Amino acid sequence: SQQGEEDPQALSIQEGENATMNCSYKTSINNLQWYRQNSGRGLVHLILIRSNEREKHSGRLRVTLDTSKKSSSLLITASRAADTASYFCATDGETSGSRLTFGEGTQLTVNP
Amino acid sequence: DTGVSQDPRHKITKRGQNVTFRCDPISEHNRLYWYRQTLGQGPEFLTYFQNEAQLEKSRLLSDRFSAERPKGSFSTLEIQRTEQGDSAMYLCASSPLQETQYFGPGTRLLVL
Repeated sequence: SQQGEEDPQALSIQEGENATMNCSYKTSINNLQWYRQNSGRGLVHLILIRSNEREKHSGRLRVTLDTSKKSSSLLITASRAADTASYFCATDGETSGSRLTFGEGTQLTVNP
Repeated sequence: DTGVSQDPRHKITKRGQNVTFRCDPISEHNRLYWYRQTLGQGPEFLTYFQNEAQLEKSRLLSDRFSAERPKGSFSTLEIQRTEQGDSAMYLCASSPLQETQYFGPGTRLLVL
């Protein structure tokens, strides 16, 4: 079973609104990464946050990490129609070698 | 374009046939990973290499699957005696040691 679980499974918003996606995981991690995937395409890396970091920003993206709750959130501000995609969190566990464990993803739809 | 390429992008085969996929990682990356993704799910780890050494294999990688990375450059993933359950997107990723993994566009396999 997947370690990371995203919430919600699907999110539909209007252009200009903010989108927040959450991810929970079960074991200790070295880092947590967020990826985006457009339909039928490969994954695009968005941001990596290490286990000793609490918050990270990249452009319109803001990621938080709470290791005590084993959870992370991805905030996309001022969303655009081009942000429509599936978003996955992936954890690099302390005992899992280098494998990434992905959740099932959040399907984000931004309506123009 | 992440710099990771995969070939072919699409493959349709009949049950029982063998198929081979190729991945060319970013040239300076030591690590190369294979994942499998079915519709509506996140990617699942299959195996990874550090240089030419295959260091970890998932239980998902049955004895019909074999992966190689000769000379620590490109990698091939072969599936023998394909089954309909093998239909999926096969994703390759590369990274410099334990850092961000960069994914290729994937090979979509359909077994009839």
